[in-house]
Amino acid sequence: GAGVSQTPSNKVTEKGKYVELRCDPISGHTALYWYRQSLGQGPEFLIYFQGTGAADDSGLPNDRFFAVRPEGSVSTLKIQRTERGDSAVYLCASSLMPGGNTEAFFGQGTRLTVV
Amino acid sequence: EDQVTQSPEALRLQEGESSSLNCSYTVSGLRGLFWYRQDPGKGPEFLFTLYSAGEEKEKERLKATLTKKESFLHITAPKPEDSATYLCAVQGGDDKIIFGKGTRLHILP
Repeated sequence: GAGVSQTPSNKVTEKGKYVELRCDPISGHTALYWYRQSLGQGPEFLIYFQGTGAADDSGLPNDRFFAVRPEGSVSTLKIQRTERGDSAVYLCASSLMPGGNTEAFFGQGTRLTVV
Repeated sequence: EDQVTQSPEALRLQEGESSSLNCSYTVSGLRGLFWYRQDPGKGPEFLFTLYSAGEEKEKERLKATLTKKESFLHITAPKPEDSATYLCAVQGGDDKIIFGKGTRLHILP
Protein backbone atom coordinates (compact mmCIF):
# COMPACT_ATOMS: atom_id res chain seq x y z
CA GLY A 1 0.00 0.00 0.00
CA ALA A 2 0.91 3.66 -0.20
CA GLY A 3 1.38 4.17 3.52
CA VAL A 4 1.54 2.39 6.85
CA SER A 5 -1.82 0.85 7.72
CA GLN A 6 -2.92 0.05 11.27
CA THR A 7 -5.99 -1.90 12.25
CA PRO A 8 -8.26 -1.50 14.04
CA SER A 9 -8.31 2.28 14.32
CA ASN A 10 -10.14 1.98 17.64
CA LYS A 11 -10.38 -0.87 20.10
CA VAL A 12 -12.34 -0.99 23.34
CA THR A 13 -11.71 -4.00 25.55
CA GLU A 14 -12.48 -5.09 29.06
CA LYS A 15 -9.79 -5.26 31.72
CA GLY A 16 -8.13 -8.67 31.70
CA LYS A 17 -8.84 -9.42 28.04
CA TYR A 18 -6.30 -10.17 25.29
CA VAL A 19 -5.90 -7.82 22.32
CA GLU A 20 -3.99 -7.85 19.05
CA LEU A 21 -3.06 -4.74 17.11
CA ARG A 22 -1.95 -5.05 13.49
CA CYS A 23 0.51 -3.01 11.46
CA ASP A 24 0.99 -3.29 7.68
CA PRO A 25 4.17 -1.36 6.76
CA ILE A 26 5.11 0.35 3.52
CA SER A 27 6.05 -2.28 0.95
CA GLY A 28 9.79 -2.94 0.92
CA HIS A 29 10.49 -1.33 4.29
CA THR A 30 12.62 -3.67 6.38
CA ALA A 31 12.52 -1.78 9.69
CA LEU A 32 9.34 -1.57 11.75
CA TYR A 33 8.79 0.28 15.03
CA TRP A 34 6.02 0.20 17.63
CA TYR A 35 5.36 3.16 19.93
CA ARG A 36 2.80 4.02 22.61
CA GLN A 37 1.54 7.56 22.97
CA SER A 38 -0.43 8.95 25.88
CA LEU A 39 -2.29 12.24 25.76
CA GLY A 40 0.06 15.21 25.70
CA GLN A 41 3.18 13.04 25.50
CA GLY A 42 5.58 12.11 22.73
CA PRO A 43 5.67 8.59 21.29
CA GLU A 44 7.28 6.13 23.72
CA PHE A 45 9.47 3.46 22.10
CA LEU A 46 8.31 -0.13 22.58
CA ILE A 47 10.07 -2.42 20.09
CA TYR A 48 11.98 -2.32 16.81
CA PHE A 49 12.17 -5.05 14.14
CA GLN A 50 14.78 -5.43 11.45
CA GLY A 51 13.28 -8.00 9.10
CA THR A 52 11.68 -10.81 11.07
CA GLY A 53 13.69 -10.39 14.23
CA ALA A 54 13.19 -8.02 17.15
CA ALA A 55 16.41 -5.98 17.15
CA ASP A 56 15.49 -4.09 20.33
CA ASP A 57 12.55 -4.80 22.64
CA SER A 58 13.82 -2.78 25.57
CA GLY A 59 10.75 -0.53 25.59
CA LEU A 60 8.18 -3.25 26.22
CA PRO A 61 6.86 -2.40 29.70
CA ASN A 62 6.43 -5.97 30.97
CA ASP A 63 5.88 -9.55 29.83
CA ARG A 64 2.21 -8.93 29.04
CA PHE A 65 3.39 -7.20 25.87
CA PHE A 66 4.71 -9.16 22.92
CA ALA A 67 5.18 -8.42 19.22
CA VAL A 68 5.86 -10.58 16.19
CA ARG A 69 6.73 -10.08 12.54
CA PRO A 70 6.91 -13.64 11.18
CA GLU A 71 7.42 -12.89 7.48
CA GLY A 72 9.23 -9.59 7.75
CA SER A 73 6.24 -7.52 6.69
CA VAL A 74 3.05 -7.35 8.76
CA SER A 75 3.55 -7.06 12.52
CA THR A 76 1.20 -7.77 15.40
CA LEU A 77 1.47 -6.25 18.86
CA LYS A 78 -0.14 -8.53 21.44
CA ILE A 79 -1.21 -7.47 24.91
CA GLN A 80 -2.30 -10.06 27.46
CA ARG A 81 -4.41 -9.45 30.58
CA THR A 82 -5.00 -5.82 29.64
CA GLU A 83 -5.03 -3.18 32.36
CA ARG A 84 -6.62 0.27 32.38
CA GLY A 85 -3.12 1.77 32.31
CA ASP A 86 -2.58 0.20 28.89
CA SER A 87 -5.07 2.66 27.40
CA ALA A 88 -3.20 4.79 24.85
CA VAL A 89 -2.67 5.27 21.14
CA TYR A 90 -0.39 2.60 19.72
CA LEU A 91 1.61 3.82 16.73
CA CYS A 92 3.49 1.82 14.15
CA ALA A 93 6.17 3.16 11.81
CA SER A 94 8.32 1.67 9.07
CA SER A 95 11.54 2.76 7.39
CA LEU A 96 13.70 1.68 4.50
CA MET A 97 16.83 0.18 6.04
CA PRO A 98 19.65 -0.60 5.75
CA GLY A 99 21.34 1.48 3.13
CA GLY A 100 18.52 3.90 2.43
CA ASN A 101 17.15 6.96 4.18
CA THR A 102 16.38 6.13 7.78
CA GLU A 103 13.35 8.32 8.46
CA ALA A 104 10.31 6.42 9.69
CA PHE A 105 6.79 6.88 8.34
CA PHE A 106 3.86 6.44 10.70
CA GLY A 107 0.41 4.98 10.49
CA GLN A 108 -2.64 6.67 12.01
CA GLY A 109 -2.46 4.60 15.15
CA THR A 110 -4.80 2.33 17.08
CA ARG A 111 -6.57 3.95 20.01
CA LEU A 112 -6.86 1.30 22.72
CA THR A 113 -9.28 1.85 25.57
CA VAL A 114 -9.37 -0.63 28.45
CA VAL A 115 -12.53 -0.35 30.54
CA GLU B 1 21.01 6.55 27.42
CA ASP B 2 19.69 8.51 24.45
CA GLN B 3 17.56 11.48 25.43
CA VAL B 4 15.56 14.21 23.68
CA THR B 5 14.27 17.37 25.40
CA GLN B 6 12.03 19.82 23.59
CA SER B 7 11.22 23.37 24.60
CA PRO B 8 8.98 25.16 25.06
CA GLU B 9 6.21 22.67 25.87
CA ALA B 10 3.67 25.02 24.33
CA LEU B 11 3.87 28.19 22.26
CA ARG B 12 1.20 30.64 21.18
CA LEU B 13 2.05 33.06 18.37
CA GLN B 14 0.17 35.63 16.38
CA GLU B 15 -0.12 34.94 12.67
CA GLY B 16 3.06 36.23 11.02
CA GLU B 17 5.09 36.19 14.24
CA SER B 18 8.25 34.16 13.59
CA SER B 19 9.82 31.98 16.29
CA SER B 20 11.95 28.89 16.93
CA LEU B 21 11.41 25.56 18.65
CA ASN B 22 14.32 23.87 20.40
CA CYS B 23 15.34 20.21 20.56
CA SER B 24 18.29 19.28 22.79
CA TYR B 25 19.62 15.77 22.51
CA THR B 26 22.17 13.29 23.80
CA VAL B 27 22.79 10.24 21.66
CA SER B 28 25.47 7.68 21.08
CA GLY B 29 26.47 7.78 17.43
CA LEU B 30 23.90 10.04 15.79
CA ARG B 31 22.50 8.49 12.62
CA GLY B 32 19.82 11.11 12.12
CA LEU B 33 17.68 13.75 13.80
CA PHE B 34 14.06 13.95 12.66
CA TRP B 35 11.30 16.52 12.88
CA TYR B 36 7.66 15.49 12.64
CA ARG B 37 4.37 17.34 12.73
CA GLN B 38 1.40 15.75 14.50
CA ASP B 39 -2.19 16.91 14.22
CA PRO B 40 -4.79 15.82 16.82
CA GLY B 41 -5.94 12.25 16.29
CA LYS B 42 -3.36 11.59 13.59
CA GLY B 43 -0.02 9.84 13.36
CA PRO B 44 3.17 11.91 13.14
CA GLU B 45 3.91 13.29 9.67
CA PHE B 46 7.56 13.33 8.60
CA LEU B 47 9.08 16.77 7.90
CA PHE B 48 12.89 16.64 7.88
CA THR B 49 15.96 14.50 8.50
CA LEU B 50 19.27 16.10 9.51
CA TYR B 51 22.38 13.95 9.53
CA SER B 52 25.30 16.13 10.62
CA ALA B 53 26.10 19.37 12.44
CA GLY B 54 25.77 22.41 10.21
CA GLU B 55 23.11 20.89 8.01
CA GLU B 56 19.95 22.86 7.25
CA LYS B 57 16.71 21.87 5.52
CA GLU B 58 13.76 24.03 4.46
CA LYS B 59 10.16 23.39 3.53
CA GLU B 60 7.76 26.27 2.98
CA ARG B 61 7.75 28.33 6.21
CA LEU B 62 9.87 25.81 8.16
CA LYS B 63 13.64 25.56 8.42
CA ALA B 64 15.46 22.98 10.53
CA THR B 65 19.06 23.37 11.68
CA LEU B 66 21.42 21.06 13.56
CA THR B 67 24.40 21.46 15.90
CA LYS B 68 26.22 18.79 17.89
CA LYS B 69 23.90 19.26 20.86
CA GLU B 70 20.63 20.68 19.57
CA SER B 71 18.34 21.33 16.66
CA PHE B 72 16.07 24.26 15.97
CA LEU B 73 12.88 24.38 13.96
CA HIS B 74 12.45 27.94 12.75
CA ILE B 75 8.96 29.01 11.71
CA THR B 76 8.82 32.12 9.54
CA ALA B 77 5.60 34.16 9.27
CA PRO B 78 3.41 31.28 10.48
CA LYS B 79 -0.20 30.80 9.48
CA PRO B 80 -3.03 29.27 11.54
CA GLU B 81 -2.69 26.03 9.56
CA ASP B 82 0.80 25.60 11.04
CA SER B 83 -0.82 24.93 14.40
CA ALA B 84 0.14 21.41 15.49
CA THR B 85 2.46 19.52 17.82
CA TYR B 86 6.02 19.38 16.52
CA LEU B 87 8.03 16.33 17.54
CA CYS B 88 11.80 15.88 17.47
CA ALA B 89 13.42 12.44 17.43
CA VAL B 90 16.95 11.02 17.24
CA GLN B 91 18.29 7.76 15.92
CA GLY B 92 21.52 6.51 17.44
CA GLY B 93 23.95 3.79 16.57
CA ASP B 94 21.56 1.13 17.88
CA ASP B 95 18.99 2.24 15.25
CA LYS B 96 16.37 2.94 17.93
CA ILE B 97 14.39 6.16 17.31
CA ILE B 98 13.64 8.13 20.48
CA PHE B 99 11.17 11.03 20.63
CA GLY B 100 10.85 14.12 22.74
CA LYS B 101 7.55 15.15 24.30
CA GLY B 102 6.86 17.70 21.59
CA THR B 103 6.02 21.40 21.38
CA ARG B 104 2.37 22.33 20.99
CA LEU B 105 2.23 25.29 18.63
CA HIS B 106 -0.86 27.46 18.33
CA ILE B 107 -1.00 30.23 15.74
CA LEU B 108 -3.67 32.83 16.37
CA PRO B 109 -5.31 34.48 13.33
